Amino acid sequence: EIVLTQSPATLSLSPGERATLSCRASQSISTYLAWYQQKPGQAPRLLIYDASSRATGIPARFSGSGSGTDFTLTISSLEPEDFVFYYCQQRSSWPSTFGQGTRLELK
Amino acid sequence: DVQLVESGGGVVRPGGSLRLSCAASGFTFDDFGMSWVRQAPGKGLEYVSGINYNGDKSDYIDSVKGRFTISRDNAKNSLYLQMNSLRADDTAFYYCARTGAGLLWFGELFFWGQGTLVTVSS
Repeated sequence: EIVLTQSPATLSLSPGERATLSCRASQSISTYLAWYQQKPGQAPRLLIYDASSRATGIPARFSGSGSGTDFTLTISSLEPEDFVFYYCQQRSSWPSTFGQGTRLELK
Repeated sequence: DVQLVESGGGVVRPGGSLRLSCAASGFTFDDFGMSWVRQAPGKGLEYVSGINYNGDKSDYIDSVKGRFTISRDNAKNSLYLQMNSLRADDTAFYYCARTGAGLLWFGELFFWGQGTLVTVSS
């Protein structure tokens, strides 16, 4: 089973700042990585798939990069509604797995 | 618009059974794989099971193999999860989700339902 490790567990920033979230895979997954945002009480929402492709309707301030084992989700200028949870997911092999999540909190 | 609406959750005793349903609309159901993902209250996401577009390929995480069965009825645009021998650690919100088009039973999850809560407790 491929293990995804997200860091940091909690990231404290202010609106307007740049956020960099990391996801590391225990073995190479090419670019088979997705990022999701989850707000309290809601289902997750797909932000990025195939490591760097933005899903439909996702603002341009969200971007993804990486390949192999190291991946990054960048939010270029934080909006108030961005201070929620983020998860990465690999679809390279079954079982598909998620990282443990990063909580983005207001500083 | 794509809509996924889960139903069937509730409170069940350990060892009991539940059947979850997911009604899909707004897309050609039999073109896409479908999945179930769960989230224990206050915890992270776990990809439980997936089924491909025509139902001939599916798989499960080890902790539910032999207890859960995923199925789909393309004529009814519906996805199901039969859960037997339920345990306390199956307590979670269960989300139905749509993957991309193709032959695989798992993938990135483009659309999600709002979830249904399953509580296993005596």
